[in-house]
Amino acid sequence: EVQLVESGGGLVQPGGSLRLSCAASGFTFSSYEMNWVRQAPGKGLEWVSYISSSGSTIYYADSVKGRFTISRDNAKNSLYLQMNSLRAEDTAVYYCAREGGYSYGYAFDIWGQGTMVTVSS
Amino acid sequence: SYELTQPPSVSVSPGQTARITCSADALPKQYAYWYQQKPGQAPVLVIYKDSERPSGIPERFSGSSSGTTVTLTISGVQAEDEADYYCQSADSSGTYVFGTGTKVTVL
Repeated sequence: EVQLVESGGGLVQPGGSLRLSCAASGFTFSSYEMNWVRQAPGKGLEWVSYISSSGSTIYYADSVKGRFTISRDNAKNSLYLQMNSLRAEDTAVYYCAREGGYSYGYAFDIWGQGTMVTVSS
Repeated sequence: SYELTQPPSVSVSPGQTARITCSADALPKQYAYWYQQKPGQAPVLVIYKDSERPSGIPERFSGSSSGTTVTLTISGVQAEDEADYYCQSADSSGTYVFGTGTKVTVL
């Protein structure tokens, strides 16, 4: 079964750090581009970051640029999001999502169940 | 920055047709995608490349594109279609953007 499972969320104080992980299974992880998407409580979806299949190309939303770092370990079938200098407005459910490749027009075809990050003192 | 605008809500009776628009504020428009999200669940892809439907998605879901506006149509709406729907596209720099979201209510 194709699956993405996020972990690492929790409660953190403003200015703190957190590292999210996304474990992939059921497909050849190293062949797919990956993304992080977040959703604040009661709000819409917000794209956060993209990483190419090899890790050589990375993009960030302006709202997290300079504070968040996306990375991947293809040998471990894992995607990561290092979040530093966290702010209250970073409070959200964080989803990892797979890009379905050329045939899907790079749509996000597989999503994890999400992990909650709460930034509060 | 690139923005995608959707109506906040759409209400429809069972068996009727729901249409959700997504308007881009600038050209060129890349491919658009649509996701369905039910409360407490992760989003699910229902339309890709403007009008293609993934396997397992019912035929009542369809997509179309005209100029800088894309539309998701749900024909013969069922109670299970009640959810939030988001469009998505990419800007010229390769970063992604989601629409503002539309809550579909089945009366």
